[in-house]
Amino acid sequence: GAGVSQSPRYKVAKRGQDVALRCDPISGHVSLFWYQQALGQGPEFLTYFQNEAQLDKSGLPSDRFFAERPEGSVSTLKIQRTQQEDSAVYLCASSSLAGTSYEQYFGPGTRLTVT
Amino acid sequence: AQRVTQPEKLLSVFKGAPVELKCNYSYSGSPELFWYVQYSRQRLQLLLRHISRESIKGFTADLNKGETSFHLKKPFAQEEDSAMYYCASRGGFQKLVFGTGTRLLVSP
Repeated sequence: GAGVSQSPRYKVAKRGQDVALRCDPISGHVSLFWYQQALGQGPEFLTYFQNEAQLDKSGLPSDRFFAERPEGSVSTLKIQRTQQEDSAVYLCASSSLAGTSYEQYFGPGTRLTVT
Repeated sequence: AQRVTQPEKLLSVFKGAPVELKCNYSYSGSPELFWYVQYSRQRLQLLLRHISRESIKGFTADLNKGETSFHLKKPFAQEEDSAMYYCASRGGFQKLVFGTGTRLLVSP
């Protein structure tokens, strides 16, 4: 079946612009995660949803970052007033059950470049 | 705070040579540890997890709580093993904490 999909795959934004990144998890997956991967680094946790509830947003770097998953499926990560340090690959992952050690399946990522 | 350390950015070996990718973790409880792999132009995928104690594509990893290590090993490297490898831990909640990754390059 289809895996996790993300769009757009590439996004170039001018500093100060707002961007919205979309994640379509695997159908039926309860848990959804966003990670940020800067060049040469490993992925870093941003936020976690269980269905539509955002249970952990401790990794969001500033109040310019906002994520939502209103119907418990598709999620959007929004970055307001983008800065150069926001340039990174944004990864979305989903897993089938909450509170258990289930595998996280990753999407291909969205590469954001802020100029 | 949880931390995962991968000391090598690049590991270059010849085909048929043994491989060991190092990973150390810091966590006060009982961690869950994983190895993820990203082949060229592919997405990040799970390679193995310590609780399964399995061998995937000839790779194994043993959790050593005394040394807080979870090194990934393979006795005979293949060219198709060339990829980025990330060690990760999961603590009390769902999120994964990743190391900075090691690029494995296997030359013919």
